Amino acid sequence: DARVTQTPRHKVTEMGQEVTMRCQPILGHNTVFWYRQTMMQGLELLAYFRNRAPLDDSGMPKDRFSAEMPDATLATLKIQPSEPRDSAVYFCASGVLEQYFGPGTRLTVT
Amino acid sequence: QQQVKQSPQSLIVQKGGISIINCAYENTAFDYFPWYQQFPGKGPALLIAIRPDVSEKKEGRFTISFNKSAKQFSLHIMDSQPGDSATYFCAGSDRGSTLGRLYFGRGTQLTVWP
Repeated sequence: DARVTQTPRHKVTEMGQEVTMRCQPILGHNTVFWYRQTMMQGLELLAYFRNRAPLDDSGMPKDRFSAEMPDATLATLKIQPSEPRDSAVYFCASGVLEQYFGPGTRLTVT
Repeated sequence: QQQVKQSPQSLIVQKGGISIINCAYENTAFDYFPWYQQFPGKGPALLIAIRPDVSEKKEGRFTISFNKSAKQFSLHIMDSQPGDSATYFCAGSDRGSTLGRLYFGRGTQLTVWP
């Protein structure tokens, strides 16, 4: 069945390292979202794309975060350099009226 | 600014009881109000959704009540079961201008005791 996939599922890294998270949206979905979930802030929208073009990335710290869609089957979220406060679960979702979420990437920055 | 405010933050209900989660929104342009359910270790999944032209929508044990004049909507879970224990998020969207962006509430962690 169609689902959003994310890799890696877990990532532990040291402060200052680059982190790349990948997402494969559901085939045919042309809108892709990146969210960050923490206990303190809940679900925060970081960025979203339509037809691979960024629509809004105002939720991302621009100095260290970047999001791209190299092609229709791949979305990436990069953090460089990573900091302990970036520790969270990062979700990718695709779809418009109904958003289908991936299983998330749990990031721990030590 | 939180465009959708959700309460309570946590809720404990006895099995068989009614769980009620409330949300309020500010943007009168919102025209789509979904509820998402999230189990530990999983991504949120759409549970039920309503549009503002109806005051209530029911799917099985789950009902959304919508009050357009008060800009409030709520989720009722009838005959709550331990399997309903999860985090619930309400959301609002102005589908025309934001191309499907959802503004989520902070979430409610529901625990149903057997």
